[in-house]
Amino acid sequence: DAGVTQSPTHLIKTRGQQVTLRCSPISGHKSVSWYQQVLGQGPQFIFQYYEKEERGRGNFPDRFSARQFPNYSSELNVNALLLGDSALYLCASSLAGGLMNTEAFFGQGTRLTVV
Amino acid sequence: GENVEQHPSTLSVQEGDSAVIKCTYSDSASNYFPWYKQELGKRPQLIIDIRSNVGEKKDQRIAVTLNKTAKHFSLHITETQPEDSAVYFCAATTNGDSNYQLIWGAGTKLIIKP
Repeated sequence: DAGVTQSPTHLIKTRGQQVTLRCSPISGHKSVSWYQQVLGQGPQFIFQYYEKEERGRGNFPDRFSARQFPNYSSELNVNALLLGDSALYLCASSLAGGLMNTEAFFGQGTRLTVV
Repeated sequence: GENVEQHPSTLSVQEGDSAVIKCTYSDSASNYFPWYKQELGKRPQLIIDIRSNVGEKKDQRIAVTLNKTAKHFSLHITETQPEDSAVYFCAATTNGDSNYQLIWGAGTKLIIKP
């Protein structure tokens, strides 16, 4: 039984480039959330998608965008990369959109390094 | 918006002793408070959670207490073991049909000394 899978696991990009991160939720889960975790800090909420619609957006610039596909997988896109975008990007899936008796399960993350 | 503060940033305890990590939150509407454990290089994993209609919850060596009036909640680990060494995060959110925005604390690095 596969958990939340993210790809790639590691990525090195140069400043100004664009990156796409991918997430496959647990089978049957309809909600995907994205978090950015800078080294030594707690995760920061970026986006939540439920039933292919954006349900929440954190305090991130418009360079960050995401979408959810009909199979509930999701992509996070970051344009015009900055050094400060270097972080672990975590995807979490949950059965429902909210927290009504559901738990968020995290993927192993994508480690993005911007040089 | 919600703001979560977590203390201490680092906690070192002797194996077998207890560890306590404290968090405060600012939004009185928050009603769900999970605790996550993150080992080095691994994903966060939920270890225990509490909802605002409960004051205390216990699961073996782990317990969480919630004081809604003071807007703080704490994680208690008893009889600590080497495998408890990790970074622990508290989080808070409002429980809604379509809301899964967790606001996280900065984390506590727990070190268990043998």
